[in-house]
Amino acid sequence: NAGVTQTPKFQVLKTGQSMTLQCAQDMNHNSMYWYRQDPGMGLRLIYYSASEGTTDKGEVPNGYNVSRLNKREFSLRLESAAPSQTSVYFCASSGWLAQNTGELFFGEGSRLTVL
Amino acid sequence: QKEVEQDPGPLSVPEGAIVSLNCTYSNSAFQYFMWYRQYSRKGPELLMYTYSSGNKEDGRFTAQVDKSSKYISLFIRDSQPSDSATYLCAMSPSYAGNMLTFGGGTRLMVKP
Repeated sequence: NAGVTQTPKFQVLKTGQSMTLQCAQDMNHNSMYWYRQDPGMGLRLIYYSASEGTTDKGEVPNGYNVSRLNKREFSLRLESAAPSQTSVYFCASSGWLAQNTGELFFGEGSRLTVL
Repeated sequence: QKEVEQDPGPLSVPEGAIVSLNCTYSNSAFQYFMWYRQYSRKGPELLMYTYSSGNKEDGRFTAQVDKSSKYISLFIRDSQPSDSATYLCAMSPSYAGNMLTFGGGTRLMVKP
């Protein structure tokens, strides 16, 4: 049982390049999220998808796009990478139990450096 | 000013010590409080969750919420080297995942 799987784990980009971070969960969760984590800033929500077919902006959506490909997969795209997007990106998912616990299940993270 | 403040540490303690980790917040709408533990190079995982004020105990861990002071704490008794990690507080007006606000995390090191 893999949980939440993110690819790639590491990536180095040049300013202006584009890339897509992939995320898949095998827990049959309805909701999926993309966060970024920067030193001292905590986790900040970029986009989320409450259910298949819906996506909404979070706290820091500028410069990103997302696609909820199906119930399992939620991708994050950087169209024109900037150094300010250097960060560790986490995908997470939550199911109906989260209504009582607030539990999000996180992947291991994707470390992105933009030069 | 951030909505949720957390001392980044690092906090270094000897094995067996009692550890106190704290967060302060400014949004009085927060009703649900969580602690996540994050090991190095891993994603966070939920450690404890509480609703409103009061205490909640789970083994060596106790979560405490004081809404009147807008202050939450996580106590770890008999700390172990395996407790070495970053501890993130999170809080929300509801348990809706998209409304969580995370603290910056406190790095804890428990020395054998």
